[in-house]
Amino acid sequence: KAGVTQTPRYLIKTRGQQVTLSCSPISGHRSVSWYQQTPGQGLQFLFEYFSETQRNKGNFPGRFSGRQFSNSRSEMNVSTLELGDSALYLCASSLLLGAGRAQETQYFGPGTRLLVL
Amino acid sequence: DAKTTQPTSMDCAEGRAANLPCNHSTISGNEYVYWYRQIHSQGPQYIIHGLKNNETNEMASLIITEDRKSSTLILPHATLRDTAVYYCIVRGKETSGSRLTFGEGTQLTVNP
Repeated sequence: KAGVTQTPRYLIKTRGQQVTLSCSPISGHRSVSWYQQTPGQGLQFLFEYFSETQRNKGNFPGRFSGRQFSNSRSEMNVSTLELGDSALYLCASSLLLGAGRAQETQYFGPGTRLLVL
Repeated sequence: DAKTTQPTSMDCAEGRAANLPCNHSTISGNEYVYWYRQIHSQGPQYIIHGLKNNETNEMASLIITEDRKSSTLILPHATLRDTAVYYCIVRGKETSGSRLTFGEGTQLTVNP
């Protein structure tokens, strides 16, 4: 079974631009989470989508947004890019069959490395 | 979610067992212990998880103390490719959704 895929793998943008990153979860997985990793802040949770609805959100400004499509694929968007948005953006998917289930393991993709100049 | 404490770094000789400790003294009864690792600039890789019993899979073993306040991840025969940052994560119920809270982790260096 193919793993989580993310596109593009590398991206260079300039301040003020906006960017869209894409994530395809493992086949059959319905939950997609996004994380940002920087040297200073480590790995931080951005948001989670399940059944096309945002289920959970981390402490990031509104410039960071996401969505999920009916096929569970997800995109995240960052508007008005700042230098501090340079990071590795990671997507993770899990089965998440429904509330009350035991913990569902998350599997990560390779990430998209964004450089903002 | 309970906070975890891990050593910043550890070294291990190739072919020997690597034992990575994790303290999670505030863990509650329904929280799981998860281990991930991240090789430089790659996405975190799931290793193993457990609730209270010891667990083993093809990658590693997880030993959880009886009081569940600490655990140890064991890589039985470490190789150079096991050099990575290892994260111990305690994960709560569905109230936290699928959010994983990563700490600083342990940098494991396997030496030839």
